[in-house]
Amino acid sequence: SAVISQKPSRDICQRGTSLTIQCQVDSQVTMMFWYRQQPGQSLTLIATANQGSEATYESGFVIDKFPISRPNLTFSTLTVSNMSPEDSSIYLCSVEDHHGTSGNNEQFFGPGTRLTVL
Amino acid sequence: GQNIDQPTEMTATEGAIVQINCTYQTSGFNGLFWYQQHAGEAPTFLSYNVLDGLEEKGRFSSFLSRSKGYSYLLLKELQMKDSASYLCAVTSGGSYIPTFGRGTSLIVHP
Repeated sequence: SAVISQKPSRDICQRGTSLTIQCQVDSQVTMMFWYRQQPGQSLTLIATANQGSEATYESGFVIDKFPISRPNLTFSTLTVSNMSPEDSSIYLCSVEDHHGTSGNNEQFFGPGTRLTVL
Repeated sequence: GQNIDQPTEMTATEGAIVQINCTYQTSGFNGLFWYQQHAGEAPTFLSYNVLDGLEEKGRFSSFLSRSKGYSYLLLKELQMKDSASYLCAVTSGGSYIPTFGRGTSLIVHP
């Protein structure tokens, strides 16, 4: 299974600033995903990041607010731009792995970045 | 779109059995996942069901009925460490990216 790390693990930011979250995987993966998990809510997919192409955003999420980079097959960044208190959430990086225990395309998650916007 | 419904919270006693239900409405169903998420941690994979029936894995079992759009996760011999959120997730259509339910917070007490 893939091992995923994220930096920072948590941060407290001021309104109007931006934060870039890094995600590192220990193996090469084609697809990387960014999720948001707001308090008491489930995981919501923000976008899918493929290496060498622009990220694909889900309804309700736009590139200007959540720019994503995917420079290679083991790394991605998500920036939360011009933050407001409504952006306070946990942001999780995820990858799809064909070699999970189920034998299917399992998703493995990073530990998450807990963001608080004041 | 997809609609996934599961109870918000459940409580159970250590050593008991608990069943967490999940109902879904989707077109072109592919499969259903269950994930466990402890507070402050990332979700971890528990099970994946594609066909109808029961899949048993140690103390945890997962059941699927595609015709009823229904699944449950069965936890036996509950332990305090089983206190966590349990997320039901469904893949459908041409996408293998799961859509998650809101999760069921399970509290196990002595």
